Amino acid sequence: NAGVTQTPKFQVLKTGQSMTLQCAQDMNHEYMSWYRQDPGMGLRLIHYSVGAGITDQGEVPNGYNVSRSTTEDFPLRLLSAAPSQTSVYFCASSYSGTGLSGNTIYFGEGSWLTVV
Amino acid sequence: GIQVEQSPPDLILQEGANSTLRCNFSDSVNNLQWFHQNPWGQLINLFYIPSGTKQNGRLSATTVATERYSLLYISSSQTTDSGVYFCAVIMSGTASKLTFGTGTRLQVTL
Repeated sequence: NAGVTQTPKFQVLKTGQSMTLQCAQDMNHEYMSWYRQDPGMGLRLIHYSVGAGITDQGEVPNGYNVSRSTTEDFPLRLLSAAPSQTSVYFCASSYSGTGLSGNTIYFGEGSWLTVV
Repeated sequence: GIQVEQSPPDLILQEGANSTLRCNFSDSVNNLQWFHQNPWGQLINLFYIPSGTKQNGRLSATTVATERYSLLYISSSQTTDSGVYFCAVIMSGTASKLTFGTGTRLQVTL
Protein backbone atom coordinates (compact mmCIF):
# COMPACT_ATOMS: atom_id res chain seq x y z
CA ASN A 1 0.00 0.00 0.00
CA ALA A 2 1.94 3.01 -1.28
CA GLY A 3 -0.62 5.67 -0.34
CA VAL A 4 -0.52 8.80 -2.52
CA THR A 5 2.34 8.94 -5.00
CA GLN A 6 3.34 12.13 -6.81
CA THR A 7 5.85 12.49 -9.62
CA PRO A 8 8.10 14.24 -10.35
CA LYS A 9 9.39 15.48 -7.02
CA PHE A 10 11.36 18.33 -8.56
CA GLN A 11 10.98 20.03 -11.94
CA VAL A 12 12.31 23.16 -13.62
CA LEU A 13 10.35 24.50 -16.57
CA LYS A 14 10.85 27.36 -18.96
CA THR A 15 8.04 29.88 -19.40
CA GLY A 16 5.56 28.61 -21.95
CA GLN A 17 6.43 24.93 -21.60
CA SER A 18 3.80 22.39 -20.71
CA MET A 19 3.99 19.52 -18.28
CA THR A 20 1.91 17.10 -16.26
CA LEU A 21 2.22 16.38 -12.57
CA GLN A 22 1.19 12.81 -11.89
CA CYS A 23 -0.79 11.66 -8.85
CA ALA A 24 -1.80 8.10 -8.08
CA GLN A 25 -3.39 6.45 -5.05
CA ASP A 26 -3.93 2.79 -4.30
CA MET A 27 -6.52 3.14 -1.53
CA ASN A 28 -9.60 3.15 -3.81
CA HIS A 29 -10.41 6.69 -2.68
CA GLU A 30 -13.18 8.49 -4.50
CA TYR A 31 -11.99 12.00 -3.63
CA MET A 32 -8.76 13.44 -5.01
CA SER A 33 -7.53 16.99 -5.11
CA TRP A 34 -4.60 19.22 -6.02
CA TYR A 35 -3.27 22.08 -3.88
CA ARG A 36 -0.48 24.57 -4.29
CA GLN A 37 1.54 25.94 -1.40
CA ASP A 38 3.37 29.24 -1.72
CA PRO A 39 5.87 30.62 0.83
CA GLY A 40 4.19 31.83 4.01
CA MET A 41 0.80 30.66 2.88
CA GLY A 42 -1.44 27.72 3.49
CA LEU A 43 -2.50 25.32 0.82
CA ARG A 44 -4.90 26.58 -1.83
CA LEU A 45 -7.21 24.24 -3.71
CA ILE A 46 -6.66 24.11 -7.48
CA HIS A 47 -9.01 21.36 -8.69
CA TYR A 48 -10.72 18.39 -7.13
CA SER A 49 -12.59 15.25 -8.16
CA VAL A 50 -15.26 13.27 -6.35
CA GLY A 51 -14.97 10.26 -8.64
CA ALA A 52 -13.91 9.02 -12.06
CA GLY A 53 -15.20 11.35 -14.76
CA ILE A 54 -16.11 14.13 -12.31
CA THR A 55 -13.93 17.18 -11.69
CA ASP A 56 -14.52 20.69 -10.40
CA GLN A 57 -12.61 23.91 -9.84
CA GLY A 58 -11.18 25.01 -6.56
CA GLU A 59 -9.94 28.40 -5.40
CA VAL A 60 -7.13 28.93 -7.96
CA PRO A 61 -7.90 26.89 -11.12
CA ASN A 62 -6.60 29.26 -13.81
CA GLY A 63 -3.70 27.87 -15.83
CA TYR A 64 -4.34 24.27 -14.78
CA ASN A 65 -6.32 21.41 -16.28
CA VAL A 66 -7.30 18.07 -14.77
CA SER A 67 -9.05 14.90 -15.78
CA ARG A 68 -10.07 11.76 -13.90
CA SER A 69 -10.34 8.78 -16.22
CA THR A 70 -9.68 6.20 -13.47
CA THR A 71 -10.22 6.05 -9.72
CA GLU A 72 -6.48 5.73 -9.13
CA ASP A 73 -5.06 8.63 -11.15
CA PHE A 74 -5.57 12.39 -11.09
CA PRO A 75 -3.00 14.23 -13.24
CA LEU A 76 -2.56 18.01 -13.14
CA ARG A 77 -1.61 19.69 -16.42
CA LEU A 78 0.10 23.02 -16.88
CA LEU A 79 -0.57 23.98 -20.50
CA SER A 80 1.71 27.03 -20.72
CA ALA A 81 3.81 27.46 -17.59
CA ALA A 82 4.24 30.93 -16.08
CA PRO A 83 6.62 32.11 -13.32
CA SER A 84 3.56 32.68 -11.10
CA GLN A 85 3.08 28.92 -11.10
CA THR A 86 6.34 28.38 -9.25
CA SER A 87 5.16 26.59 -6.15
CA VAL A 88 4.99 23.32 -4.26
CA TYR A 89 2.12 21.15 -5.40
CA PHE A 90 0.39 18.58 -3.23
CA CYS A 91 -2.02 15.89 -4.27
CA ALA A 92 -4.45 14.51 -1.68
CA SER A 93 -7.05 11.78 -1.50
CA SER A 94 -9.70 10.47 0.86
CA TYR A 95 -12.91 8.50 0.93
CA SER A 96 -15.68 10.88 0.08
CA GLY A 97 -18.96 10.70 1.83
CA THR A 98 -20.78 13.68 3.02
CA GLY A 99 -18.22 16.35 2.20
CA LEU A 100 -15.14 14.60 3.55
CA SER A 101 -16.69 14.54 7.01
CA GLY A 102 -14.63 12.39 9.30
CA ASN A 103 -12.44 11.03 6.53
CA THR A 104 -8.68 11.14 6.91
CA ILE A 105 -7.03 13.04 4.09
CA TYR A 106 -3.80 11.55 2.79
CA PHE A 107 -1.28 13.82 1.11
CA GLY A 108 1.47 13.01 -1.34
CA GLU A 109 5.01 14.16 -0.60
CA GLY A 110 4.80 17.21 -2.82
CA SER A 111 6.22 18.31 -6.16
CA TRP A 112 8.56 21.32 -6.22
CA LEU A 113 8.05 23.22 -9.48
CA THR A 114 10.13 26.18 -10.63
CA VAL A 115 9.22 28.13 -13.76
CA VAL A 116 12.00 30.35 -15.11
CA GLY B 1 -15.32 32.62 0.68
CA ILE B 2 -14.61 31.59 4.23
CA GLN B 3 -11.66 33.18 6.01
CA VAL B 4 -9.41 31.07 8.25
CA GLU B 5 -6.95 32.86 10.52
CA GLN B 6 -4.38 31.20 12.71
CA SER B 7 -2.39 32.58 15.59
CA PRO B 8 0.33 33.01 16.50
CA PRO B 9 2.08 32.93 13.11
CA ASP B 10 5.35 31.87 14.73
CA LEU B 11 6.17 30.20 18.03
CA ILE B 12 9.46 29.16 19.61
CA LEU B 13 9.37 26.82 22.59
CA GLN B 14 11.86 25.02 24.74
CA GLU B 15 11.46 21.29 24.89
CA GLY B 16 8.97 20.34 27.58
CA ALA B 17 6.88 23.50 27.34
CA ASN B 18 3.18 23.58 26.56
CA SER B 19 1.49 25.64 23.85
CA THR B 20 -1.91 26.58 22.47
CA LEU B 21 -2.52 27.29 18.80
CA ARG B 22 -5.69 29.04 17.70
CA CYS B 23 -7.80 28.88 14.53
CA ASN B 24 -10.61 31.37 13.88
CA PHE B 25 -13.02 30.97 10.98
CA SER B 26 -15.51 33.41 9.57
CA ASP B 27 -18.49 31.20 8.77
CA SER B 28 -20.20 28.05 9.96
CA VAL B 29 -18.37 24.84 9.07
CA ASN B 30 -19.22 21.17 8.89
CA ASN B 31 -15.64 19.97 8.81
CA LEU B 32 -12.51 21.17 10.61
CA GLN B 33 -9.18 19.39 10.56
CA TRP B 34 -5.73 20.06 11.99
CA PHE B 35 -2.61 19.11 10.07
CA HIS B 36 1.09 19.06 10.87
CA GLN B 37 3.63 19.76 8.13
CA ASN B 38 7.05 18.53 9.21
CA PRO B 39 10.31 20.26 8.21
CA TRP B 40 10.57 17.93 5.19
CA GLY B 41 7.21 19.10 3.87
CA GLN B 42 5.18 16.03 4.70
CA LEU B 43 1.55 16.74 5.71
CA ILE B 44 -0.05 14.60 8.39
CA ASN B 45 -3.67 14.72 9.51
CA LEU B 46 -3.87 15.21 13.29
CA PHE B 47 -7.55 15.64 14.09
CA TYR B 48 -10.94 15.75 12.48
CA ILE B 49 -12.84 17.97 14.93
CA PRO B 50 -15.83 20.02 13.70
CA SER B 51 -16.97 20.32 17.33
CA GLY B 52 -16.09 19.10 20.78
CA THR B 53 -12.77 17.88 22.19
CA LYS B 54 -10.41 15.11 21.18
CA GLN B 55 -7.09 13.91 22.55
CA ASN B 56 -4.29 11.90 21.00
CA GLY B 57 -1.29 11.47 23.26
CA ARG B 58 0.31 14.84 23.99
CA LEU B 59 -1.97 16.59 21.52
CA SER B 60 -5.55 17.62 22.06
CA ALA B 61 -7.97 19.84 20.20
CA THR B 62 -11.17 21.67 21.00
CA THR B 63 -13.59 23.29 18.59
CA VAL B 64 -16.34 25.67 19.69
CA ALA B 65 -18.36 25.80 16.50
CA THR B 66 -20.88 28.34 17.79
CA GLU B 67 -18.06 30.80 18.47
CA ARG B 68 -16.13 29.85 15.31
CA TYR B 69 -12.79 28.88 16.71
CA SER B 70 -10.66 25.83 17.37
CA LEU B 71 -7.66 25.32 19.64
CA LEU B 72 -4.81 22.85 19.34
CA TYR B 73 -2.93 22.06 22.55
CA ILE B 74 0.56 20.62 22.56
CA SER B 75 1.83 19.47 25.93
CA SER B 76 5.41 18.57 26.89
CA SER B 77 6.65 19.63 23.46
CA GLN B 78 9.42 17.70 21.75
CA THR B 79 11.75 18.69 18.94
CA THR B 80 9.82 16.36 16.65
CA ASP B 81 6.79 18.64 17.09
CA SER B 82 8.55 21.33 15.05
CA GLY B 83 6.99 22.31 11.78
CA VAL B 84 3.90 24.15 10.61
CA TYR B 85 0.44 23.47 11.99
CA PHE B 86 -2.51 24.13 9.68
CA CYS B 87 -6.17 24.36 10.42
CA ALA B 88 -8.48 23.60 7.47
CA VAL B 89 -12.24 23.86 7.19
CA ILE B 90 -15.12 23.08 4.88
CA MET B 91 -17.79 25.73 4.98
CA SER B 92 -21.31 24.43 5.52
CA GLY B 93 -23.02 23.86 2.18
CA THR B 94 -19.78 23.64 0.17
CA ALA B 95 -18.96 19.95 0.16
CA SER B 96 -15.40 18.95 -0.67
CA LYS B 97 -13.75 22.40 -0.75
CA LEU B 98 -11.20 22.38 2.05
CA THR B 99 -9.87 25.86 2.92
CA PHE B 100 -6.58 26.12 4.80
CA GLY B 101 -5.38 28.77 7.22
CA THR B 102 -1.92 30.30 6.82
CA GLY B 103 -0.48 28.16 9.58
CA THR B 104 1.51 28.47 12.81
CA ARG B 105 5.21 27.77 12.48
CA LEU B 106 6.48 26.02 15.62
CA GLN B 107 10.11 25.56 16.52
CA VAL B 108 10.95 23.46 19.56
CA THR B 109 14.50 23.89 20.86
CA LEU B 110 16.57 21.83 23.28
